[in-house]
Amino acid sequence: AQSVTQPDIHITVSEGASLELRCNYSYGATPYLFWYVQSPGQGLQLLLKYFSGDTLVQGIKGFEAEFKRSQSSFNLRKPSVHWSDAAEYFCAVGSGGYNKLIFGAGTRLAVHP
Amino acid sequence: DVKVTQSSRYLVKRTGEKVFLECVQDMDHENMFWYRQDPGLGLRLIYFSYDVKMKEKGDIPEGYSVSREKKERFSLILESASTNQTSMYLCASTLDGQFYGYTFGSGTRLTVV
Repeated sequence: AQSVTQPDIHITVSEGASLELRCNYSYGATPYLFWYVQSPGQGLQLLLKYFSGDTLVQGIKGFEAEFKRSQSSFNLRKPSVHWSDAAEYFCAVGSGGYNKLIFGAGTRLAVHP
Repeated sequence: DVKVTQSSRYLVKRTGEKVFLECVQDMDHENMFWYRQDPGLGLRLIYFSYDVKMKEKGDIPEGYSVSREKKERFSLILESASTNQTSMYLCASTLDGQFYGYTFGSGTRLTVV
């Protein structure tokens, strides 16, 4: 069965530092992969997605993610974090049926000034 | 842009009440979803619908029902609200989840007292 693991529940970084959020998936075929961000009290917003082609995907708000098939990973990165990036981040994989996505448990990012 | 609107941002209901959470999307999407979000548990799928009058149980359907009489509207019903249904409820819609991902509403934070 498809699954998504986000190993880090909480991450704290300093403003201006680089960021990498980890995501590992389990899926038999070529996966459709997504990263979402949720600001406090809000719904989820799509940051970026991957389904084929270039394994380095650019998204909104300066984020990028790299698909690594050999490691079953789709890690999210940002070279310089801003205080407004403090939020919860969810990785998701397409499940192959009924258009469903399988979500990870999320990583909460705190940004110190 | 697709817009998914959840009718209430905050609701407070009493134990035993029948509660309706409404979700409307404006882009003719066939697929709509209801999730609940709890700290440490991520997003859990309650019900989804892939067409008018069609519904499928998700991972945690107990205590909930849904209604989809029109394509643009997907309602979540708590038949007899209980305190363990206090949560954030998120609605989402998509034309094709694997290709496009989901568009989420802003969420309804429900408190049952």
